[in-house]
Amino acid sequence: KNEVEQSPQNLTAQEGEFITINCSYSVGISALHWLQQHPGGGIVSLFMLSSGKKKHGRLIATINIQEKHSSLHITASHPRDSAVYICAVRSPKLIFGTGTRLQVFP
Amino acid sequence: DSGVTQTPKHLITATGQRVTLRCSPRSGDLSVYWYQQSLDQGLQFLIQYYNGEERAKGNILERFSAQQFPDLHSELNLSSLELGDSALYFCASSVNRDSYTGELFFGEGSRLTVL
Repeated sequence: KNEVEQSPQNLTAQEGEFITINCSYSVGISALHWLQQHPGGGIVSLFMLSSGKKKHGRLIATINIQEKHSSLHITASHPRDSAVYICAVRSPKLIFGTGTRLQVFP
Repeated sequence: DSGVTQTPKHLITATGQRVTLRCSPRSGDLSVYWYQQSLDQGLQFLIQYYNGEERAKGNILERFSAQQFPDLHSELNLSSLELGDSALYFCASSVNRDSYTGELFFGEGSRLTVL
């Protein structure tokens, strides 16, 4: 079993939909990252969380340390949000989930 | 732009060869991390350097080595290349020594193809 599990693996949405990507982990962590990887390959760090909730524009990330679970929400999704979203936990080295491929259609 | 620069962006070479990937961290960042992303293994941590010293090691093969220079840039050396070494190699930097806290900034990656 992977130490970091993401769901769903693939997600298709219509523009404007509310999107949730989930991440569960089985190890002790000091922080959790949400990363975005576009088709060109580059990785952008969206959030680093150790507790609670963070918001940046249309993106919201939450973490529940007791339940070892985090969610990434995208409100009013747009085609430019199409990317692979990767959850990674610091334990203490970064352990990555397998990613969620999101496609948003106009 | 993350401020982390990786070169080359693309590299095609043959089995048995040796290549060097270069990473320049963000100004002021002392830690450099190397990651490998392959189709079958996903993203994996290879190695971390902090201010010139090796700090942590992950799933790095013995054929691979890295170093961080006094100007804080880092190089990842891959030798006796095999087909399975074809992957995207990412570098990331942070200001912190330890992995416990601190934002990570990723480079655009170096895509290595071994033929």
